[in-house]
Amino acid sequence: EADIYQTPRYLVIGTGKKITLECSQTMGHDKMYWYQQDPGMELHLIHYSYGVNSTEKGDLSSESTVSRIRTEHFPLTLESARPSHTSQYLCASGLGGAEAFFGQGTRLTVV
Amino acid sequence: AQSVTQLDSHVSVSEGTPVLLRCNYSSSYSPSLFWYVQHPNKGLQLLLKYTSAATLVKGINGFEAEFKKSETSFHLTKPSAHMSDAAEYFCVLYNFNKFYFGSGTKLNVKP
Repeated sequence: EADIYQTPRYLVIGTGKKITLECSQTMGHDKMYWYQQDPGMELHLIHYSYGVNSTEKGDLSSESTVSRIRTEHFPLTLESARPSHTSQYLCASGLGGAEAFFGQGTRLTVV
Repeated sequence: AQSVTQLDSHVSVSEGTPVLLRCNYSSSYSPSLFWYVQHPNKGLQLLLKYTSAATLVKGINGFEAEFKKSETSFHLTKPSAHMSDAAEYFCVLYNFNKFYFGSGTKLNVKP
């Protein structure tokens, strides 16, 4: 079992609220990633990080932001949630081409 | 450009029969390739990976995949399907510090 954790697993929240999805890993990986996955659809990279103080936008445009103040922590924030943000968000960490370890995901529903 | 195409969105087999999940890739350079499996409400789990060593790669749970550069393919196979194999499978390419996902293949295993 990989040591990467996402909280919460499920979140239902009202429009306009600010939310932070947590992702932590204890493997000391430099690279971390956030993917968005709509039901029945493929995963899209929305953010990634090469290490502390490094963040980059992914291939899919997202209104979310991320930070990487500590190696083990890569939170994703939505300042004002909207129904269009309803999706599953998957966090991953890795050592580059060797393998990526995935968390169990956060299912976000904005009502 | 880097991309992954999974040729079948759904595959249905009977228990005990062979499984073939097809994946083609496009990459500017020699890629690393992976197969991940996602069971309902679970995170993604690595099945196997190709990183320019042996072209026939064996993974967990009896799965294997063959890297064919001439065909730009990395198909996943298993000689005999088990009910517990029912899940969604993702073919993934790694290059330039990013993981590129296929759209996924849902495997259904009939008793």
